[in-house]
Amino acid sequence: GAGVSQTPSNKVTEKGKYVELRCDPISGHTALYWYRQSLGQGPEFLIYFQGTGAADDSGLPNDRFFAVRPEGSVSTLKIQRTERGDSAVYLCASSRGGARDEQFFGPGTRLTVL
Amino acid sequence: GENVEQHPSTLSVQEGDSAVIKCTYSDSASNYFPWYKQELGKGPQLIIDIRSNVGEKKDQRIAVTLNKTAKHFSLHITETQPEDSAVYFCAAKGRYGNKLVFGAGTILRVKS
Repeated sequence: GAGVSQTPSNKVTEKGKYVELRCDPISGHTALYWYRQSLGQGPEFLIYFQGTGAADDSGLPNDRFFAVRPEGSVSTLKIQRTERGDSAVYLCASSRGGARDEQFFGPGTRLTVL
Repeated sequence: GENVEQHPSTLSVQEGDSAVIKCTYSDSASNYFPWYKQELGKGPQLIIDIRSNVGEKKDQRIAVTLNKTAKHFSLHITETQPEDSAVYFCAAKGRYGNKLVFGAGTILRVKS
């Protein structure tokens, strides 16, 4: 596609529920990243995939957060037992991988936990 | 780990003036420094980047400078226009892995 796409654009859920956020990277990009952005702050790294495997998941805040990329393209970020503190914009980015550093971001999913 | 500090947090300039945003980083092994522009309700847009083997890079009205010794890098926007109004983020890629560490952002307002 022309750019990184993310669905849904907005998600409202209740505390304790399970949510899935989807990212569709730029075609041909092998690297995919998830970041979280709270109001008034810069994005914070969550996890990075190279192909199908998670190369770095050091930013996941706890075991309620999990992400997959089973075929090396689309990725899903999964959050179990959501808490109000999980409310944020979840951003996905992709890059060509290898020596190419440029990361291109999607529009984000705004998650609100009531 | 890497830490990036960004100043100022807000910047107001008159249309046509220049704007400068500064960042410092902590990891001397960091080797890639992108700048992003974020408009309300949108994702960050890559506007310019610089690698550690280069001291300066320019693209039309935008330039970035890097001082590796001082661990500083700066974004310079000349001849500012109202459409330059947005939040600007600097970032650094540390020695380990591919993740970007972002500054807290600068709200730029260009007054016409």
